[in-house]
Amino acid sequence: DAGVIQSPRHEVTEMGQEVTLRCKPISGHNSLFWYRQTMMRGLELLIYFNNNVPIDDSGMPEDRFSAKMPNASFSTLKIQPSEPRDSAVYFCASSFQGGGTEAFFGQGTRLTVV
Amino acid sequence: KNEVEQSPQNLTAQEGEFITINCSYSVGISALHWLQQHPGGGIVSLFMLSSGKKKHGRLIATINIQEKHSSLHITASHPRDSAVYICAVRARDSNYQLIWGAGTKLIIKP
Repeated sequence: DAGVIQSPRHEVTEMGQEVTLRCKPISGHNSLFWYRQTMMRGLELLIYFNNNVPIDDSGMPEDRFSAKMPNASFSTLKIQPSEPRDSAVYFCASSFQGGGTEAFFGQGTRLTVV
Repeated sequence: KNEVEQSPQNLTAQEGEFITINCSYSVGISALHWLQQHPGGGIVSLFMLSSGKKKHGRLIATINIQEKHSSLHITASHPRDSAVYICAVRARDSNYQLIWGAGTKLIIKP
């Protein structure tokens, strides 16, 4: 298995632009997590999907952030409009049965909003 | 006080040394994770523990549930072990939320 695949690896965009981050979880995993990592706040859980359904989106910073999981093999995290304070590394992780098993992380997308 | 505390924050050692990184937590947990993050790289899950000890290659993780403490050991350390090591716990009242430690930055000098 190729592991969790995220794209793009790096994204530089101008303030106000829409940004879409993509994630392909490991086949067979039914839980997907989006995290944001910054120097100041460390790793923060943004949203958790189970069986393609958003279970907990309390970590989504504000309405500018949205996440979808249209099927078991694909998820997106969208920021519209982007702001410089959104600059961070965004990780996608997947697991089988929520936190009951190990989570496997993607390589992350480093987002820079200028 | 953070619910998950790691020590030390930074550790520099010579190649070959035995390394210990500690993690203490204050909540009841159902599992504890050790993860590794290389500079500019992704996050790799090393261990998930709920009791006892696990070993994988040169890495050993132990947990003492009564003392709410876990250690990650690296034997015969190598420069490629240089990374940030992160401890995270899953609280007993959650089946998916992880509480993250701040990480320990390890540098192994040749």
